[in-house]
Amino acid sequence: DQQVKQNSPSLSVQEGRISILNCDYTNSMFDYFLWYKKYPAEGPTFLISISSIKDKNEDGRFTVFLNKSAKHLSLHIVPSQPGDSAVYFCAASALQGGSEKLVFGKGTKLTVNP
Amino acid sequence: DTGVSQNPRHKITKRGQNVTFRCDPISEHNRLYWYRQTLGQGPEFLTYFQNEAQLEKSRLLSDRFSAERPKGSFSTLEIQRTEQGDSAMYLCASSPPVGQGLTNEKLFFGSGTQLSVL
Repeated sequence: DQQVKQNSPSLSVQEGRISILNCDYTNSMFDYFLWYKKYPAEGPTFLISISSIKDKNEDGRFTVFLNKSAKHLSLHIVPSQPGDSAVYFCAASALQGGSEKLVFGKGTKLTVNP
Repeated sequence: DTGVSQNPRHKITKRGQNVTFRCDPISEHNRLYWYRQTLGQGPEFLTYFQNEAQLEKSRLLSDRFSAERPKGSFSTLEIQRTEQGDSAMYLCASSPPVGQGLTNEKLFFGSGTQLSVL
């Protein structure tokens, strides 16, 4: 069963506009959420994270929002740049449960058009 | 380059053969992870080491798979009697000791080893 779901396989936006990537999860034990970015032929790189005690975390152009009641999080990129074109993975972990395992979604391929 | 290094980058093998991959983590990182990624999927957790101790294993890690980290530095992942379903990208990641930030946040991935089983 897919505990972390990214229902949009792809997203295309214009340069300068906002990109919104969505993620849903089913496991209520998850207490830490992360976004990773992946370019072709490279491993994923950490982008931004949020603890379940918060509902928003911002880092430059990137903001992650968490809605615990809906078990939903989203990543906002403003303004979007062509260099942001990559596959974005949502991931979750149950840190308080003592597990080091990250559970990833299937990813959303973002294309930012110049 | 002081990032996570994985070798080989690509491996093509015939069904039934054994393969071994190597991962060299960032030198000061004591935590090491193996993940597997198949086409159209996100990375799936396989196993986790803290120093030389293997502390967590996924049920995905069947008895044909074995991972070691003998001296708490580099790690190897061996697959015996490979099957076509083993074809995937095998990713290694490392993270610094607790106290230098939440470990999962500071997961640094290598570029992976792409395995193709014919």
